[in-house]
Amino acid sequence: AQTVTQSQPEMSVQEAETVTLSCTYDTSENNYYLFWYKQPPSRQMILVIRQEAYKQQNATENRFSVNFQKAAKSFSLKISDSQLGDTAMYFCAFMTLIIQGAQKLVFGQGTRLTINP
Amino acid sequence: DAGVTQSPTHLIKTRGQQVTLRCSPKSGHDTVSWYQQALGQGPQFIFQYYEEEERQRGNFPDRFSGHQFPNYSSELNVNALLLGDSALYLCASSLVWTVNTEAFFGQGTRLTVV
Repeated sequence: AQTVTQSQPEMSVQEAETVTLSCTYDTSENNYYLFWYKQPPSRQMILVIRQEAYKQQNATENRFSVNFQKAAKSFSLKISDSQLGDTAMYFCAFMTLIIQGAQKLVFGQGTRLTINP
Repeated sequence: DAGVTQSPTHLIKTRGQQVTLRCSPKSGHDTVSWYQQALGQGPQFIFQYYEEEERQRGNFPDRFSGHQFPNYSSELNVNALLLGDSALYLCASSLVWTVNTEAFFGQGTRLTVV
């Protein structure tokens, strides 16, 4: 069974600083996808960034980037120039294609990130 | 373009009752997945519907059932509610047959069982 572990329950940084959130996962699959989702107090899950396991290059989206270490099964998220609006719960998630094209996301426990002014 | 919409937003039920939660997927999406998110936890996969059939199920008892309609909207039913069923229930829609599609989530239904 696939598992996702986020070892940092809470983190707090000052505005404009850089912060890195950690995530490790366990799987026997070779082809899979990794995601970071943000869940603000509004409760809606918002996709932050996606990484395909077959791609060596780390994904980046503006101030967000990942450090994907496939052999170590590690997938960390770096937020540069953090902003107050980045305050939220962040979830690392894993996905493989399952039967008949269906998809299933496996989430970690989450990291509560607070950006202080 | 409306995203994923869920109703109701909040619900309070008594132990032993039954509840139905509803989800309308994002326009153009044909697959609906349901997740249960307990307080302070990550979402847990309940099941996924495509072509009006349950395609995959997580580790949830038969008290949890669902349905998908021809317009791709979906319902989640929970029978014989337990206190432990209190959680945020999230619906996500996507396109089947590809992982390149993004799964869009609704804002969830907060269910409280008393």
